[in-house]
Amino acid sequence: AQSVTQLDSHVSVSEGTPVLLRCNYSSSYSPSLFWYVQHPNKGLQLLLKYTSAATLVKGINGFEAEFKKSETSFHLTKPSAHMSDAAEYFCVVSDSILQGGKLIFGQGTELSVKP
Amino acid sequence: KAGVTQTPRYLIKTRGQQVTLSCSPISGHRSVSWYQQTPGQGLQFLFEYFSETQRNKGNFPGRFSGRQFSNSRSEMNVSTLELGDSALYLCASSSGTANSGNTIYFGEGSWLTVV
Repeated sequence: AQSVTQLDSHVSVSEGTPVLLRCNYSSSYSPSLFWYVQHPNKGLQLLLKYTSAATLVKGINGFEAEFKKSETSFHLTKPSAHMSDAAEYFCVVSDSILQGGKLIFGQGTELSVKP
Repeated sequence: KAGVTQTPRYLIKTRGQQVTLSCSPISGHRSVSWYQQTPGQGLQFLFEYFSETQRNKGNFPGRFSGRQFSNSRSEMNVSTLELGDSALYLCASSSGTANSGNTIYFGEGSWLTVV
């Protein structure tokens, strides 16, 4: 069965410093992986997705993630944090082909950005 | 192009009542999924519909049901409401499956409070 583990429930950075949100996955085959962001009282917005093409994936708002099969990781990074990046971030894996559109979410990482 | 639209956005119900939530997917999308988000359990998959057929179902009791209409609009129903059903219910739409590389777009959710 697929699973996702977000290694930090809360990350705090200063504005202008790098962001690293860690995610490990478990999958018995080649997965599709996503990062979504949720701002307070809002729905989920897709930041980026990996679907077995390039291992370094660039997303919106300067975020990127690298798929590392040997480490079963898909960490999210951004070179310089902005105040507007404060939100909750979810690492997500798609279930098997047999399970169609089912997504499996990590528990989320809350990102705080200090001025 | 309009996004995923969910109605109502906020509602309060009494234990034992039932509730129906509605979701209009992005035009042209035939897959609609529903997720429940709570502070304790995080984001959990409820079910997915594709061309009016339930394709996948999560581990929720039979009180949770859904359907999809010929225009791809979907409704989910919760009968005999319990306090633990208080949650944000998110609808997502896609033109296909996530593991085929399709992007899944989320609505802003319906906040249900059971008192």
